[in-house]
Amino acid sequence: QEQLVQSGAEVKKPGASVKVSCKASGYTLTSYELSWVRQATGQALEWMGWMSPNTGNTGYAEKFQGRVTMTRNTSINTAYLELSSLRSDDTAVYYCARGRLGLDSWGQGTLVTVSS
Amino acid sequence: EIVMTQSPATLSVSPGERASLSCRASQGITTNLAWYQQKPGQAPRLLMFGASTRATRIPARFSGSGSGAEFTLTISSLQSEDVAVYYCQQYNRRPYTFGQGTKLEIK
Repeated sequence: QEQLVQSGAEVKKPGASVKVSCKASGYTLTSYELSWVRQATGQALEWMGWMSPNTGNTGYAEKFQGRVTMTRNTSINTAYLELSSLRSDDTAVYYCARGRLGLDSWGQGTLVTVSS
Repeated sequence: EIVMTQSPATLSVSPGERASLSCRASQGITTNLAWYQQKPGQAPRLLMFGASTRATRIPARFSGSGSGAEFTLTISSLQSEDVAVYYCQQYNRRPYTFGQGTKLEIK
């Protein structure tokens, strides 16, 4: 069964960093493009960036440039999203999702709460 | 960045009736468009890609049309389980932007 399983909820203080993991099972990360998408409560989906399946190269939405880093460890088939200099408006559910022609498989989401 | 605009924001349809949801791109995206369904507390689910191709295990009552900058998602006969928020997304050019969503309700 192909699925993406994400790490658990996080609570962070403003200015801190958070790292969310996304483990693929039933398929390998090097087979599909991987995107990260976030959603604040009651708000729309927001695409953050992507990772190439073959090279691991990344591209980020301009809004997150300088604060976001997407990486992976192919030996454990896991991708990571790190977001730094957290602000209260970064409070959201963060999803990993695979696919190029539409995102056909999503993780369950990770709630990141930024609060002092 | 390509801006995706969905309308209406909220749509109320009677059971068994047709529901039509619109999505407009700020520039042409050929047919590089996907539709998603999101129910409360759940991750989005891919309904349609290539503007008109149903994803795996999506019922035939869902159909998509359009190309260029104007797209429509149609549910031919609304079922109670179709109550959700629907998003369109373009993947013609990065960043792969989403629309603001249409909330579909039962009348």
